[in-house]
Amino acid sequence: SQQGEEDPQALSIQEGENATMNCSYKTSINNLQWYRQNSGRGLVHLILIRSNEREKHSGRLRVTLDTSKKSSSLLITASRAADTASYFCATDYGNNRLAFGKGNQVVVIP
Amino acid sequence: NAGVMQNPRHLVRRRGQEARLRCSPMKGHSHVYWYRQLPEEGLKFMVYLQKENIIDESGMPKERFSAEFPKEGPSILRIQQVVRGDSAAYFCASSEDRDEKLFFGSGTQLSVL
Repeated sequence: SQQGEEDPQALSIQEGENATMNCSYKTSINNLQWYRQNSGRGLVHLILIRSNEREKHSGRLRVTLDTSKKSSSLLITASRAADTASYFCATDYGNNRLAFGKGNQVVVIP
Repeated sequence: NAGVMQNPRHLVRRRGQEARLRCSPMKGHSHVYWYRQLPEEGLKFMVYLQKENIIDESGMPKERFSAEFPKEGPSILRIQQVVRGDSAAYFCASSEDRDEKLFFGSGTQLSVL
């Protein structure tokens, strides 16, 4: 099935460092979204980038979208221990069925 | 404005029993979605509903699973004659309109013994 695929799968960094995650997809999308999930909890929406947008910022988050390469990246700057979570990209092909990747486990070491 | 409310938080059933999962969307949201998450996996779409209508159930297994979103009350995901393979976290999400971000509930962890 078509879905976002995140890379790398697991990331361990020191507090204060930047964390970068990538996501690839297969066909044209309406928008791409990033979500965060703490262990055993629901997903929290972080940012949505539409197919006609190339870059978006929200606080310490920066998302880019390259539709020619069918890829997106999520950058978390100046990471904090509280950023430890799983991060998922989800692609919307215009049918309201979000296709989620398997997620990136990010661990920020204090 | 309360978020998306799901209950129960944990549900234990024996094989062959029925499981009923409830979801109250955020106030003002008329679009409800159900997703299933297996351990170490991303979420898999199951069904998309609007009030009294099933819009897209392409992710629902053909048998034993059903969903509704009545005019009054929460959305219900019903699993009949549960099997061990149904054990998973079931998440409900809602949105104000199509093509908008989703707000997720905390999920129901279903365990089938």
